[in-house]
Amino acid sequence: EVQLVESGGGLIQPGGSLRLSCAASGFTVSSNYMSWVRQAPGKGLEWVSIIYSSGNTYYADSVKGRFTISRDNSKNTLFLQMSSLRAEDTAVYFCARDAYNYCFDYWGQGTLVTVSS
Amino acid sequence: EIVLTQSPGTLSLSPGERATLSCRASQSVGSSYLAWYQQKPGQAPRLLMYGTSNRATGIPDRFSGSGSGTDFTLTISRLEPEDFAVYYCQQYGGSPPYTFGQGTKLEIK
Repeated sequence: EVQLVESGGGLIQPGGSLRLSCAASGFTVSSNYMSWVRQAPGKGLEWVSIIYSSGNTYYADSVKGRFTISRDNSKNTLFLQMSSLRAEDTAVYFCARDAYNYCFDYWGQGTLVTVSS
Repeated sequence: EIVLTQSPGTLSLSPGERATLSCRASQSVGSSYLAWYQQKPGQAPRLLMYGTSNRATGIPDRFSGSGSGTDFTLTISRLEPEDFAVYYCQQYGGSPPYTFGQGTKLEIK
């Protein structure tokens, strides 16, 4: 059974850093396209970042230069390192899999990041 | 960036009725690259349709998708109580690679 479990969210002050994790089971992270998608409170979905099976990465303009996506193949886990956090980064962060169908077939339950002083 | 605009913003219908949700793209989107999701409060989105008209695993056949180019539609033939939720369209391609529409809230009339 495919499962994605995020962790690492919490309350952080503006300018701070946080690392999110997404532990995968039932499939191999490195063989798929893996993304982070966020949802601000009461708002819609915003794609944040992707790591392709090749290892190439891509970021939304809103987080470029501040966030870094990576994976640990030995732990089958996806990460999102977030720095220089802003109030507008407050959101539930989901990890999601794209199994080459150009859409997200599996999602984690999400982890809430709150940026506030 | 390919912008997806969904309409209406809110759709009020009764169980048993037919729902038609629209997703319009600012540029042409390949039919393989358009998907729909359902999201209920406090839950992650759930994939409904991919490649415009393909139902995801476990999705009932009252859900169907159609369209091409810049205009796409999600149709729910006969609404069940569990269908009332927010629906998002999503496209793949261009820069950034993925964008979502702003969502349509389907509420009980």
